[in-house]
Amino acid sequence: QQPVQSPQAVILREGEDAVINCSSSKALYSVHWYRQKHGEAPVFLMILLKGGEQKGHEKISASFNEKKQQSSLYLTASQLSYSGTYFCGTAIIQGAQKLVFGQGTRLTINP
Amino acid sequence: DARVTQTPRHKVTEMGQEVTMRCQPILGHNTVFWYRQTMMQGLELLAYFRNRAPLDDSGMPKDRFSAEMPDATLATLKIQPSEPRDSAVYFCASGGLAGITGELFFGEGSRLTVL
Repeated sequence: QQPVQSPQAVILREGEDAVINCSSSKALYSVHWYRQKHGEAPVFLMILLKGGEQKGHEKISASFNEKKQQSSLYLTASQLSYSGTYFCGTAIIQGAQKLVFGQGTRLTINP
Repeated sequence: DARVTQTPRHKVTEMGQEVTMRCQPILGHNTVFWYRQTMMQGLELLAYFRNRAPLDDSGMPKDRFSAEMPDATLATLKIQPSEPRDSAVYFCASGGLAGITGELFFGEGSRLTVL
C-alpha cells in the first residue's frame, strides 16, 4: 500500500523548478504532502482530496490525478529554504483510513 | 503554542531491555499515529488510534511491540524485549476531528538506539 515517490533525490540550483511524483496502486481518498528538514519532524504542506482541485502554498503547489492515482508536487523558483525530504502520504478509499507515507524525495537546493 | 510532546527525546539501551516511549497529543485531537523512521524504510506506520481506540496496528511487530492510549492525553509505545534492529526515530503525530483529511502535527521524535 506504500505509495511510490520519484525521483528519490534531486539537486537544484536556487531559482530552478522541481517536480516530485507520487503514485499508488490503490484508489486514493486523499494525498498529503509533508516536508522534513534534517533532524526535525515532518511539517505539513498540503492535502489533496478526492474530487478536489489543485492546491497551492506559496510557490509550492500540487495536483491529484484520481484516474491515475497519482499526485505531483511542484516547486517553482526554488529557494534555499526548500531543501529537505518531501514525503507524500496516501489514504486509500477502502479499509481504515490510515495515512501511509512514501519513501521520500530528498531535495537539495544549492546557491 | 500547541504541540505534540514526545518523551524521551533520546534513549540508548541494551538489547533485551524494555523501552517505553510516550506521546502527549495536542489537546482536543482525537487521532494519534505512531511512525518509525529509518534510512532504509522511510516513515513506517506502526499503529494509529481514533478516540483512544486502536484502529490499525498491522505495521507493528506484535510479538515485541505494543501501543496503548490509557487516556486522551497520553499514547504509549512499548518495546519488550528491544533488539538492535529497533534502532530508529519514533514519531508520534496527532490530528483533529478532520482525521486524515486534515493536517497531522508531528512531535519531535524519540531517537532510540539499541546496542
